[in-house]
Amino acid sequence: EPEVTQTPSHQVTQMGQEVILRCVPISNHLYFYWYRQILGQKVEFLVSFYNNEISEKSEIFDDQFSVERPDGSNFTLKIRSTKLEDSAMYFCASSVPSLRESNQPQHFGDGTRLSIL
Amino acid sequence: GENVEQHPSTLSVQEGDSAVIKCTYSDSASNYFPWYKQELGKRPQLIIDIRSNVGEKKDQRIAVTLNKTAKHFSLHITETQPEDSAVYFCAASRGFYGQNFVFGPGTRLSVLP
Repeated sequence: EPEVTQTPSHQVTQMGQEVILRCVPISNHLYFYWYRQILGQKVEFLVSFYNNEISEKSEIFDDQFSVERPDGSNFTLKIRSTKLEDSAMYFCASSVPSLRESNQPQHFGDGTRLSIL
Repeated sequence: GENVEQHPSTLSVQEGDSAVIKCTYSDSASNYFPWYKQELGKRPQLIIDIRSNVGEKKDQRIAVTLNKTAKHFSLHITETQPEDSAVYFCAASRGFYGQNFVFGPGTRLSVLP
């Protein structure tokens, strides 16, 4: 069964540094998402992306965050100047459009654990 | 915006018993309700979902019920097994293309042998 893949699995970065988290969505999926999960808390939406532009973003997704689809397979999340509170598990997800149903399940990757020191 | 509440936060059951987790949502426009299971350190995995035009859906030992009027939906697991132990998250979505999921805070289910 095809899966969403994310790299790296764990990223340790000094506060103030830039990080790029990478995702390869399932190949026939067209909608891409980033979520984050602070340890022990619920999964929180960051941003959704379709047709090379942001569809929706949350309040968390401020100017320090950006997303990009640099080629036909990768989807990246960049955090420009990391803060201690950015430490979390970041999940990428993707979903496929359907002519029958507008709501489709989102398939999650294994996540990248980001630790800001 | 949408707010999803989930109860209980922790649930312990004996192996073979049933487990029920309940969620409420605030946005009457939400029409898609997935449930995810997350084992420690792993990805959330979809276990079942329900759309607002259906009141109940079942898949082997797992069932979900939806009450649109009351804006709540529930996950039912029968004949629980130790491998059912995990954190379960409910979510709600308006179901537009690219629409984000709003997750509940999660229920930690422990199935005791």
